[in-house]
Order: sequence, then C-alpha cells, then structure tokens
Amino acid sequence: AQKVTQAQTEISVVEKEDVTLDCVYETRDTTYYLFWYKQPPSGELVFLIRRNSFDEQNEISGRYSWNFQKSTSSFNFTITASQVVDSAVYFCALRDSWGKLQFGAGTQVVVTP
Amino acid sequence: DGGITQSPKYLFRKEGQNVTLSCEQNLNHDAMYWYRQDPGQGLRLIYYSQIVNDFQKGDIAEGYSVSREKKESFPLTVTSAQKNPTAFYLCASSMTISAEAFFGQGTRLTVV
Repeated sequence: AQKVTQAQTEISVVEKEDVTLDCVYETRDTTYYLFWYKQPPSGELVFLIRRNSFDEQNEISGRYSWNFQKSTSSFNFTITASQVVDSAVYFCALRDSWGKLQFGAGTQVVVTP
Repeated sequence: DGGITQSPKYLFRKEGQNVTLSCEQNLNHDAMYWYRQDPGQGLRLIYYSQIVNDFQKGDIAEGYSVSREKKESFPLTVTSAQKNPTAFYLCASSMTISAEAFFGQGTRLTVV
C-alpha cells in the first residue's frame, strides 16, 4: 500500500525566513510520480511541481525549491525568504503506476509580517 | 475557457437523502478523481477513474457511488449510507498517469 506522510501539521515563520516542508512517501512501485500543491484560504488547489521516480534532479523555481531523494523516500519543499502570500496549506501527493493519486495530510504554513 | 466545473458550490441536504455532486471537465482528460476534505484534514480519495466506463474505489469509498459514462463527466453520489457526509468535496482530472491533476473549486456539502 502506498502512503504519504507530512509530519509537520503547522509551521509558523516570520516574513523573510526560510521554511522547509517535509514529505516522506511509501510505495512498492518502481515507477511513480510525486507532486506538491498549494491550497490558499480560497480552497482551490494550485499545482506547484511534478517529479517522476526516475528524475532525482532537484529543482528551483523562484523562491521555491524541491529536494527529491529516493534513498530516503523524501520529496521536501523549501520556500526561501517567505512572504505573507505564502500562507496556505501545502500538500504532497503520490501517484502510483495504476493511477491512484493520494495526498498527505498537509502542512499549514503561517507567515507573519 | 477550459477547466473543471463543480456544481453547486454549496449544497444543503436533509439527513437520509441521497445527493449527487456534479463534476464536468472540458480538458479532454482521461483520468478523474473525487476527494473529500474535512476541516483541518488532508484530501482523502473516494473514487477515481482512468477511462470511460471504468472506475476504482479509493480509500473511503463506503457510502459513495460514481459513474463514468462520458469522458467529461464524473458525478459523485453521496448516499444515505455515508455516516458523516458533511464535508468539502473536490473533483480533479489529469491528462495522463504522469501529468499533474487539475482541481475544481469544490462543493461544500452540509447535511442537516
């Protein structure tokens, strides 16, 4: 069975601090896909990044960066120099080779001025 | 505009009644998904479908039913067997198994 664990329920930071969100996954598949989504207070989910199991290259997009490590089954997400607009719930998700897409419990990020 | 449409945004029903939530997409996506989100909780998978006329149970399918008669439509019925149906329901679709899923704006169901 596959599983996604986001152990951090809530992280509070002051603006301009960096924040790292942890994501640990479990799967027996050799081919799988990992995702991060953002859910602002409006409720709609916004796609941030996709990674397949064969691509361990880290990625940076503006203030966002992702660290994928198959050896530790982790796909962590860092926001550099956080801003108030980053306040949201962030979800990590895993899709297996059969198409089942499961989400972690989410991490609430609160950025205060 | 292309996208996923969930309707209605808010829905109220009396306990014991079945209710159907609509999800339509015009993105020509093969896969579609239904999730339930409770306050302060993550997204839990109810049902998913990779192709027309085929669907699989997710982690919390009990008390729910779906159909996938058309590629663009994946309605979810919340039956009276669902013990605690009040929640926020999200529908999603994706082009392929490797592609990201796009989400609708959700339906907030309240059963009184």
